[in-house]
Amino acid sequence: KAGVTQTPRYLIKTRGQQVTLSCSPISGHRSVSWYQQTPGQGLQFLFEYFSETQRNKGNFPGRFSGRQFSNSRSEMNVSTLELGDSALYLCASSQGQGHTEAFFGQGTRLTVV
Amino acid sequence: GENVEQHPSTLSVQEGDSAVIKCTYSDSASNYFPWYKQELGKGPQLIIDIRSNVGEKKDQRIAVTLNKTAKHFSLHITETQPEDSAVYFCAARKGNTGFQKLVFGTGTRLLVSP
Repeated sequence: KAGVTQTPRYLIKTRGQQVTLSCSPISGHRSVSWYQQTPGQGLQFLFEYFSETQRNKGNFPGRFSGRQFSNSRSEMNVSTLELGDSALYLCASSQGQGHTEAFFGQGTRLTVV
Repeated sequence: GENVEQHPSTLSVQEGDSAVIKCTYSDSASNYFPWYKQELGKGPQLIIDIRSNVGEKKDQRIAVTLNKTAKHFSLHITETQPEDSAVYFCAARKGNTGFQKLVFGTGTRLLVSP
């Protein structure tokens, strides 16, 4: 069974630009969560999608948004990039309903210059 | 909101020794506690988890214990090997509907020397 796939693995963007990251969950999983990992703040929850609906959101500004498609693949978008958005963005996949295990992808390393 | 504290931040042991990492959570409604191992350049890997209706769980050299009264849970690794070297994160989650908001500890860098 394939694991969680995140693309691209690495990105370099300029301040003010926007970026879209993609996550394909494990086959059969309907929940996708996104996390930001930085040396200073650690792993922080961004949002979770289940069956194309956002059902949980962390404390991040509105520049961070996401969506989920009918095949459970998810994208997250960051607009008006700031230097502080440089981080490893991780996607976690889980079955969702009553199942608790979450499996992470390799992440997308975003560098904002 | 939920807060998870993790100690120590770094831990150095000799191969074959045991390693213990401890976490404390603040929200008594938390009922699921996973542990993740993150190697350099990789995403976190789920290594073991425990639910609030269980006090201890073991999987080969790895065990997790939970003390709900004290809101503590710990990871125990016995007979450590160099390949156990990584950063370990504890996490807590509340709710029973499958919502996947995990609150993570700050991580423990484990170094196992041959």
